[in-house]
Amino acid sequence: DAMVIQNPRYQVTQFGKPVTLSCSQTLNHNVMYWYQQKSSQAPKLLFHYYDKDFNNEADTPDNFQSRRPNTSFCFLDIRSPGLGDAAMYLCATSRTQDRPQYFGPGTRLTVT
Amino acid sequence: EDQVTQSPEALRLQEGESSSLNCSYTVSGLRGLFWYRQDPGKGPEFLFTLYSAGEEKEKERLKATLTKKESFLHITAPKPEDSATYLCAVQARAGGTSYGKLTFGQGTILTVHP
Repeated sequence: DAMVIQNPRYQVTQFGKPVTLSCSQTLNHNVMYWYQQKSSQAPKLLFHYYDKDFNNEADTPDNFQSRRPNTSFCFLDIRSPGLGDAAMYLCATSRTQDRPQYFGPGTRLTVT
Repeated sequence: EDQVTQSPEALRLQEGESSSLNCSYTVSGLRGLFWYRQDPGKGPEFLFTLYSAGEEKEKERLKATLTKKESFLHITAPKPEDSATYLCAVQARAGGTSYGKLTFGQGTILTVHP
């Protein structure tokens, strides 16, 4: 089945220790998105790629960066995680920017 | 700034008791309104897209409708397996680097008791 895969499902990191979250897709979609969802809150878009074209939301902290080495994979790098970065990180894909977005299962990040 | 408000925050129903969830929105030119279902600890699951006022979509016990200011998700004869958080999101028309961005509401937590 075509799908969006996120690894790991659960990640524990220490305050200030860099961490990388991974997303892969078998849908062959052009657009990949990263959202942050804190407990009982709405998902919030961090950035997205249309093919190799990177688009950063204005309020995304500089601490968050992303890489998309090819169509199938996208990574979220958090350079120096703070306690406030503990959240569920959701990857989503869509065929084009105006089509429905399909989400992966998420990575739950804990910062100690 | 695009805004989405969902009500109620939580809804408890008995199995078979039909009801509706509301999603009110303000957006600078609506491209689409999306409904998602989210189970605890999982990513949102796509349900429907609505593009214009008057449009309706149905899937099993769910029916989504759209006006110029709000959308409703009607649940007919719900079952316990329909228990989840239902999220509404809007997407603005093309223009700028945020095209494609979904602005989500806080969600409605639906609990259906047997």
